[in-house]
Amino acid sequence: AQSVTQLGSHVSVSEGALVLLRCNYSSSVPPYLFWYVQYPNQGLQLLLKYTTGATLVKGINGFEAEFKKSETSFHLTKPSAHMSDAAEYFCAVSALSNTGNQFYFGTGTSLTVIP
Amino acid sequence: NAGVTQTPKFQVLKTGQSMTLQCAQDMNHEYMSWYRQDPGMGLRLIHYSVGAGITDQGEVPNGYNVSRSTTEDFPLRLLSAAPSQTSVYFCASSYGTNGAETQYFGPGTRLLVL
Repeated sequence: AQSVTQLGSHVSVSEGALVLLRCNYSSSVPPYLFWYVQYPNQGLQLLLKYTTGATLVKGINGFEAEFKKSETSFHLTKPSAHMSDAAEYFCAVSALSNTGNQFYFGTGTSLTVIP
Repeated sequence: NAGVTQTPKFQVLKTGQSMTLQCAQDMNHEYMSWYRQDPGMGLRLIHYSVGAGITDQGEVPNGYNVSRSTTEDFPLRLLSAAPSQTSVYFCASSYGTNGAETQYFGPGTRLLVL
């Protein structure tokens, strides 16, 4: 079975500070890992994903995440927060099973950027 | 391309009423899915489809039906609405079915069941 845990439902950072959003996963098979962002009253859009290959993944808007198998983690970072980064962020895992692939999302982390 | 479209944007139902949430995509995607989003619970998969004529249940399928007669459309039916189904519903699609593809989400349907 697959699951995702996001530590911290609310994170506040000052503009220009480091953003760190935590995600841990459990998966019985090699996972595919995703970070999605949701702006108010909108659907989700992909920030970045890990499927295979390089464990440090770069995404849009300066975000990146590192897949650490030994720690079962996929934390999202950005060196310098911008006001436009304020949104809700979801970590997700996907794994192929005999019934097809299913996606499991974490409960989300709401990011506030303080000017 | 319009991407993933959902109708209606907002709906109020009375307990026991039925309705269909519409979802369509114009990207020729094989995989389509429905999620519900509730505060503090993230997104939970209701049903998904890996192609026309093929559907399967997700985490929270009870009270919902789906069918997929065409590649483009994936409607979600509530047969007898309950207050517990008050939520925001998102439809998503992706090109492939191996789980590695990006999902594209619609704008959502807000449903209130009284």
